Order: sequence, then structure tokens, then C-alpha cells
Amino acid sequence: EAGVAQSPRYKIIEKRQSVAFWCNPISGHATLYWYQQILGQGPKLLIQFQNNGVVDDSQLPKDRFSAERLKGVDSTLKIQPAKLEDSAVYLCASTPTRNRGDTQYFGPGTRLTVL
Amino acid sequence: AQSVSQHNHHVILSEAASLELGCNYSYGGTVNLFWYVQYPGQHLQLLLKYFSGDPLVKGIKGFEAEFIKSKFSFNLRKPSVQWSDTAEYFCAVNAAGSSNTGKLIFGQGTTLQVKP
Repeated sequence: EAGVAQSPRYKIIEKRQSVAFWCNPISGHATLYWYQQILGQGPKLLIQFQNNGVVDDSQLPKDRFSAERLKGVDSTLKIQPAKLEDSAVYLCASTPTRNRGDTQYFGPGTRLTVL
Repeated sequence: AQSVSQHNHHVILSEAASLELGCNYSYGGTVNLFWYVQYPGQHLQLLLKYFSGDPLVKGIKGFEAEFIKSKFSFNLRKPSVQWSDTAEYFCAVNAAGSSNTGKLIFGQGTTLQVKP
């Protein structure tokens, strides 16, 4: 079974530029999560999708971050404009359902450096 | 608000030593509890989880964890560590119950370094 795919793996941009990350979850997984992991901290949820609908985006900085999952499969997370404090690893995870006991399967992440 | 606290940020052990990593959470309701591990150069993967039943759960690679509800704790243990256990370990919790979204709240992580 293929795992969660993410691209790019690394990205370096200057502040005020825009950037986009892509995630393809495990086939058939209805729930998709984007987490932000700042160095030295644990991952923090940015947004959760159930199929193509948003379940939780309460911690997404909506003035600069946006995300979509138009067809309920792959997803894109965008930052525009980026700030220095956005430097982090952006993780995508998926689960088969919204069952709270489901294991979340994580992708390799995208490491973003904002200069 | 839910929160997770891991007691140790960096642990250094020699091979064959015993390991215990502390994890406490803050939440008044029923929770599911997880330990994830990230080996160098690899992605986060599940080590073990608890959501009901026997509070002592066993995971992969000889790890186990015990849920003590009265102490809001879910400590991770391994009787004898190996060099290959060098990794970062994250404790996480989500709120059980159909009204909750399932999002994980993570601790800040513990880096384990095992010396050969």
C-alpha cells in the first residue's frame, strides 16, 4: 500500500513570497490533515478535511494560509505572503474515516525555510 | 483546552538500559492516546495507541505504555533499548466522542539518543 505522498520535500523562499505544498493521501482515505511542525515543537493541526469539506480550520491563519481538497482526494496548502515565522515542516496525514481511534498516517513532510 | 506535556526533551541512554518517557495530558473527558516515533530521515509513524480496554498497551519493537487515568498519564516504556531506537518520540491525544473532530494534540517531543 502506497503511503502519503508530499511534494516538494524542501522549499526555500524569501519573506512575502508565496508557496504551495501538495499532498496525496493513502487511496480511499476520507480524512486528510495538514499539520505545522516548528523546530523543537510537536505538530500542530492547521486544517482537517473530510472528503472535500472542511471539518476544522480553527488554527489556520486565514489571512495568509489557504487549503483546498476539491475532489476529495489530493490537497494543496498555500501560504501567501510568507513570513519568517512560517519556517517549519508541513506534514500531511490521512485516516480512513473520522473515527477518533483511527491511526493517522503521515507523509514525509515539506520543510519550508523563509529567509 | 487540551494540552500534552512530555517531561523530558532529550534523553541519552546506553544500549540495554531501560527507558521510560513521561507524558501527561490535560483534558476532562474521554481520550484516545498515542505514541508516535520519528526515526532519523523517516516520517512519523505510530508506535502504539490506547482507546479502550486494558490500560497496558503493547506496540511495535517491544515498546509498551500504560494509561493511568487518575494521573492523566500515558508513559512509554521499553525494558532494554537498542541503538536503533534512537529517534524522536511524540505523545499525542485526541478527544473521544462523536462530537470531536479527531485532531491530534501533540507534546513537544522527546529526543532519545542511544549510545552503542
